[in-house]
Amino acid sequence: GAGVSQTPSNKVTEKGKYVELRCDPISGHTALYWYRQSLGQGPEFLIYFQGTGAADDSGLPNDRFFAVRPEGSVSTLKIQRTERGDSAVYLCASTKGLPGDTQYFGPGTRLTVL
Amino acid sequence: DQQVKQNSPSLSVQEGRISILNCDYTNSMFDYFLWYKKYPAEGPTFLISISSIKDKNEDGRFTVFLNKSAKHLSLHIVPSQPGDSAVYFCAASALDSGYALNFGKGTSLLVTP
Repeated sequence: GAGVSQTPSNKVTEKGKYVELRCDPISGHTALYWYRQSLGQGPEFLIYFQGTGAADDSGLPNDRFFAVRPEGSVSTLKIQRTERGDSAVYLCASTKGLPGDTQYFGPGTRLTVL
Repeated sequence: DQQVKQNSPSLSVQEGRISILNCDYTNSMFDYFLWYKKYPAEGPTFLISISSIKDKNEDGRFTVFLNKSAKHLSLHIVPSQPGDSAVYFCAASALDSGYALNFGKGTSLLVTP
């Protein structure tokens, strides 16, 4: 079936604005992860969902960042009062939720905060 | 703090030769290690993995070696092909963190004809 999809592919916003980034996991995958990749760095973990609940949000940098997954499928990453330092590629991955399962990544959303 | 380190930002290899990409980690709780390949404007693509109970895993041209005592792993690609040119990320995870991946900064591999 289809892989992980993310929308939009690109988002340009102004400092201080609110943005939402969407992730559609592979059908049937119960675990969903968000990562952020800044220029020249590897992806950094943000938050992980098992079903509808956030099992680990220790990677969220501050309280401007929030993510939801209300029905255990699609997830939305929300960033309030965006700052230029939030500019990065935001990646989403999903797995079947079993220990050691391979994480399959979407193409990412490139966020640019002007 | 960077728990997974890839100290070579780039590597250039001739087609047909072996490519060796290295990775070191600091967290002894990591029990699962993976290599991802990434092309520009795409998400990382899974390549190969290894559990901490093994010291070698092979899949076609790709072999991953794990040295737990040295906290070191390496990816061998043989023979290297021009299509292997990409950025390679080493990642490690642990059961107690829900297998969230800790990535290195990546190594850019260029395979020249």
